[in-house]
Amino acid sequence: EVQLVESGGALVQPGGSLRLSCAASRFMFIYYNMNWVRQVPGKGLEWVSHISSSSSTSDYADSVKGRFTISRDNVKNLLFLQMTSLRAEDTAVYYCARDLRGTEGAFDIWGRGTMVTVSS
Amino acid sequence: EIVLTQSPATLSLSPGERATLSCRASQSVSSYLAWYQQKPGQAPRLLIYDASNRATGIAARFSGSGSGTDFTLTISSLEPEDFAVYYCQQRSLPPWTFGQGTKVEIK
Repeated sequence: EVQLVESGGALVQPGGSLRLSCAASRFMFIYYNMNWVRQVPGKGLEWVSHISSSSSTSDYADSVKGRFTISRDNVKNLLFLQMTSLRAEDTAVYYCARDLRGTEGAFDIWGRGTMVTVSS
Repeated sequence: EIVLTQSPATLSLSPGERATLSCRASQSVSSYLAWYQQKPGQAPRLLIYDASNRATGIAARFSGSGSGTDFTLTISSLEPEDFAVYYCQQRSLPPWTFGQGTKVEIK
């Protein structure tokens, strides 16, 4: 079964940093664009960042631009989100999500999410 | 950014009934609209992409229609497992945005 598994979520103080990882399995990771999407518990969904299959392009929501960096390792089938200068409003479940093949922005496979809590 | 407005916020229906969910965009998204289903404690699941294409493994009772600014997700006959929150999402113009969701609850 195609699978994405996130890790790295934690409780972190405001201003702190955190690195999320997403391990992909049972599909050709190198062929797919990838994304991070977050959700405040009980609230709606917010797209955070996108990276192309070859890492040639990336994009960010304005709310995280300049603070978050997306990257990937196509040898180890891993997706990353480096988060710095964290704020209380970054508290959310963070999902990694795969783009439907041949598209950008239609998310066909999702992980189960990892919780990030920013609080003192 | 493109704002998506979903209506109604909550839909109270019985199993077997037809559900009609609406999503309106603040500007044209052509056909670049998707629908997702989310159950409590689970990740979203892609149902429909590009307005009317069912994703792999999605039951035929789910259908999508529309283009431009007005879109509809229809569930022809609600099954017990269909009671959930549904989100629309546009991929016409970054940042990709989601609607606020419609909760389909058991009447």
